[in-house]
Amino acid sequence: SAVISQKPSRDICQRGTSLTIQCQVDSQVTMMFWYRQQPGQSLTLIATANQGSEATYESGFVIDKFPISRPNLTFSTLTVSNMSPEDSSIYLCSVRANYGYTFGSGTRLTVV
Amino acid sequence: GENVEQHPSTLSVQEGDSAVIKCTYSDSASNYFPWYKQELGKGPQLIIDIRSNVGEKKDQRIAVTLNKTAKHFSLHITETQPEDSAVYFCAASIGGGADGLTFGKGTHLIIQP
Repeated sequence: SAVISQKPSRDICQRGTSLTIQCQVDSQVTMMFWYRQQPGQSLTLIATANQGSEATYESGFVIDKFPISRPNLTFSTLTVSNMSPEDSSIYLCSVRANYGYTFGSGTRLTVV
Repeated sequence: GENVEQHPSTLSVQEGDSAVIKCTYSDSASNYFPWYKQELGKGPQLIIDIRSNVGEKKDQRIAVTLNKTAKHFSLHITETQPEDSAVYFCAASIGGGADGLTFGKGTHLIIQP
């Protein structure tokens, strides 16, 4: 299955600032997905990123807050903008490969 | 949109006993149902999945059953071991690769020695 590398693995950020999370896949994939996992909670889909087009956002998530880039078939970034403590979560990148959906190990974000 | 309900939220079983986790889904168009295991500090790991054209799938100690009519699917773990302790998530997708997953709220499985 595809191997996903996410950077950074964790960060502590000041409120009002922005953080960009990187997701690198070891093979070319059409669709990449970004999820949020709030502390002790389940995973919620933020958006779907298709190479060469605008990301598609789920209800409750907007591009101004979570801009996404997808410059090629192996890489994507998610930015968490103008952060507040409520943005403290684990952010996960996922791809769909032959053997189902694979997840990265996540970025643990704490906003203070 | 899709809604996935998962029960129980916590399950404690004796080592060697079986564990069953149940999920229901709302969208009859969903046709792909994976189960993930998440250990502390790690991303979810796919442990088994099933598609809507299959009623049951087994992989060693793990099995998944699907009832399309009732819109529910279950994870069965037999001969539980301490390393099975983790949070388990069920999920559903309409499939086709363009859709992400809708997750249940998770089950914290505790294996008592």
